[in-house]
Amino acid sequence: DSGVTQTPKHLITATGQRVTLRCSPRSGDLSVYWYQQSLDQGLQFLIQYYNGEERAKGNILERFSAQQFPDLHSELNLSSLELGDSALYFCASSERTRQGLDTEAFFGQGTRLTVV
Amino acid sequence: GQQVMQIPQYQHVQEGEDFTTYCNSSTTLSNIQWYKQRPGGHPVFLIQLVKSGEVKKQKRLTFQFGEAKKNSSLHITATQTTDVGTYFCAGRLMIKAAGNKLTFGGGTRVLVKP
Repeated sequence: DSGVTQTPKHLITATGQRVTLRCSPRSGDLSVYWYQQSLDQGLQFLIQYYNGEERAKGNILERFSAQQFPDLHSELNLSSLELGDSALYFCASSERTRQGLDTEAFFGQGTRLTVV
Repeated sequence: GQQVMQIPQYQHVQEGEDFTTYCNSSTTLSNIQWYKQRPGGHPVFLIQLVKSGEVKKQKRLTFQFGEAKKNSSLHITATQTTDVGTYFCAGRLMIKAAGNKLTFGGGTRVLVKP
């Protein structure tokens, strides 16, 4: 158990809909990352938050947005869903060293989104 | 485009044989991490390399960070069926635009033939 919790584990929804994926990081971790993994593909970085603030952005679509709340949990919102958005969405968290660098990432089990 | 590349994309290995997967970056990396994702699972951290030319071993796995800190390799000896999975390298690019995010390579999917 990595200590990172993602809900729901599975989600099936129709095209055009909007969904929210939730992530609770490991206790004490301030950094949260979101990644998208399509079938048999690598991990595509979407966005990173640190202590409530957006720190880095990847190739995240404008239809997607995220936020990190004061209690450090994070949500990824996906709207106007398309068939191609079907993928495994991972959240990861890490702690920060005194030098300001994130340590290793601990991944949640992922949310498998299927858009039909 | 992809700034961290991994080769090969697929590796079919006979049980007991050795193999190496490579990770190359177009930009100098502050550090490199390796993760393993079992089929149906999530990526799990294996190791981090920080110093130029650093070599670390974990049982049958040997990790190396290049002198220029632009490439890394993972060598597995005497492959076992438990080695099945996808191995990802992930680096922090030393460019301002990258921030502190981990950039993952595309992964090497390892299949073991018994």
